[in-house]
Amino acid sequence: GNSVTQMEGPVTLSEEAFLTINCTYTATGYPSLFWYVQYPGEGLQLLLKATKADDKGSNKGFEATYRKETTSFHLEKGSVQVSDSAVYFCALPGGKLIFGQGTELSVKP
Amino acid sequence: GAGVSQTPSNKVTEKGKYVELRCDPISGHTALYWYRQSLGQGPEFLIYFQGTGAADDSGLPNDRFFAVRPEGSVSTLKIQRTERGDSAVYLCASSLGGMFTDTQYFGPGTRLTVL
Repeated sequence: GNSVTQMEGPVTLSEEAFLTINCTYTATGYPSLFWYVQYPGEGLQLLLKATKADDKGSNKGFEATYRKETTSFHLEKGSVQVSDSAVYFCALPGGKLIFGQGTELSVKP
Repeated sequence: GAGVSQTPSNKVTEKGKYVELRCDPISGHTALYWYRQSLGQGPEFLIYFQGTGAADDSGLPNDRFFAVRPEGSVSTLKIQRTERGDSAVYLCASSLGGMFTDTQYFGPGTRLTVL
């Protein structure tokens, strides 16, 4: 069945560091892919999405490119801020969402 | 506009008791989803409604769990004979049409603690 494997955390970075959170998936066909974010004390919210292969989703300085050949959707940001501290989830839709286990990011000033 | 709301925000109950968790989706959203999130894990799918009917209930762990959406808007997740292992955050989400590319909007969750 469909599944998502996500880089384990926690990840601790200094402000302005480069961020990569790896995500790979197993799925039939070519689904859309999502990154959700959960800030402390808040609900899950969509960060970005890509609906077809080679699409790049972007939002708030974050980017992820849908790579069909490597079945990956890695999340990147060139310069993280303290306010980016949160838990990040890669997700695969198919009616319901299939989530990775989440990666906790902590950004220190 | 108003987002997805869930009540109560916290529920503490004793083993063996019955609980109901409520979800108010975004107005006009036909699809509604329930997920369960245990500490340190990603949300796990429980059930999906398209309108009033359960389109996919394959994630319900056993027959103690049941959900309804009688008028196609508000939904209630019902758990009978609660067990300590049911303790988790229960999340509700809604989307406009339930298509694969539709964004799901999540509520803040109900934290259930079974003592």
